Amino acid sequence: DAGVIQSPRHEVTEMGQEVTLRCKPISGHDYLFWYRQTMMRGLELLIYFNNNVPIDDSGMPEDRFSAKMPNASFSTLKIQPSEPRDSAVYFCASSFSGSLVPYFGAGTRLSVL
Amino acid sequence: AQRVTQPEKLLSVFKGAPVELKCNYSYSGSPELFWYVQYSRQRLQLLLRHISRESIKGFTADLNKGETSFHLKKPFAQEEDSAMYYCALSKRNQGGKLIFGQGTELSVKP
Repeated sequence: DAGVIQSPRHEVTEMGQEVTLRCKPISGHDYLFWYRQTMMRGLELLIYFNNNVPIDDSGMPEDRFSAKMPNASFSTLKIQPSEPRDSAVYFCASSFSGSLVPYFGAGTRLSVL
Repeated sequence: AQRVTQPEKLLSVFKGAPVELKCNYSYSGSPELFWYVQYSRQRLQLLLRHISRESIKGFTADLNKGETSFHLKKPFAQEEDSAMYYCALSKRNQGGKLIFGQGTELSVKP
């Protein structure tokens, strides 16, 4: 398996634009997590899904952020409108309920100008 | 509330010296504890999981429930060990949802 795949790897956008980050989890994994990494706040969990259903979105900063998982092999994190303070590295991770060990993607480095 | 504390932001040692990266946690139940490593601008990689009791790349970590600690140790540091190290806690019924410490940057000098 190629591991957790995220795209794009880098995104530069202007304030006010919509940004969509994508994640393909490891095949067979039934949990998917979105994390955000910043210098100030470290690694924070934004939202996680189990069997494509959102379980806990309490970490989503505000209504500008939304996440979907239409099927077991794809998830998106959308920011609309984007703001400079959203600049961060966004990681997707997946795990299998039989082992509960999360594996991380390479991340998307987002810069909002 | 669950919390993971890594008291050192930066740890600098010389090659061949012993290393100990500290991690303390607060959790009322039986946690799962992990160490992840992040080399420069790369993905987080699982280094250790407490229940596996393995030694990876020479690193070991022992869960001390009395002191609520899960310190990471290596007897002889190598330059290639330089990276960010994150301690994380997971609750058993949350599919691997991780609560991370703030991370410790390990710098191994030649």
